[in-house]
Amino acid sequence: VIWMTQSPSLLSASTGDRVTISCRMSQGISSYLAWYQQKPGKAPELLIYAASTLQSGVPSRFSGSGSGTDFTLTISCLQSEDFATYYCQQYYSFPWTFGQGTKVEIK
Amino acid sequence: QVQLVESGGGLVKPGGSLRLSCAASGFTFSDYYMSWIRQAPGKGLEWVSYISSSGSTIYYADSVKGRFTISRDNAKNSLYLQMNSLRAEDTAVYYCAREAPTGTFDYWGQGTLVTVSS
Repeated sequence: VIWMTQSPSLLSASTGDRVTISCRMSQGISSYLAWYQQKPGKAPELLIYAASTLQSGVPSRFSGSGSGTDFTLTISCLQSEDFATYYCQQYYSFPWTFGQGTKVEIK
Repeated sequence: QVQLVESGGGLVKPGGSLRLSCAASGFTFSDYYMSWIRQAPGKGLEWVSYISSSGSTIYYADSVKGRFTISRDNAKNSLYLQMNSLRAEDTAVYYCAREAPTGTFDYWGQGTLVTVSS
């Protein structure tokens, strides 16, 4: 099993801020990492796959980087609609695993 | 447009059974791998089970292995999850999700709530 450590678990920020979320793997996964956004009461939505490829329709203020064991999701200029919970997910090997989540809240 | 609609959730006693369904539309269902993913109240996401496009390859999380069975009917564009020997810790919203060719979950259903309680 590939364990994932996502940090921070809670991030307080203001509109316009640049925010960064980290995801660290217990073993290397090349670039087989995705990021999802989830709003309360809704299903998650895919933001980024292959560590840095933006899903169609996702705003360019979202970006991903990293490979191997360390990955980062960056939101360059936080908008009101970005306050949500974010999850990383590895799809290098079964069982697929998710990070614990990062809730981005209004400061 | 792609749609995934889950059904079959509800309240069940510990040790009981439930069968979830996921009706797919807007894409060629038989071309895609599918998964079930769950989320306990106030908690994070947990992948539960995967099935290949033909149904020939199946994987389960250790937490449900031996109790849950995933299946699909490509003629009916439907995905299923048979859940037996349910426990309180199985209480969650269950999502079905389509696996994109990239290997990630590009479409999710709205979820169906399963509550295991006496």
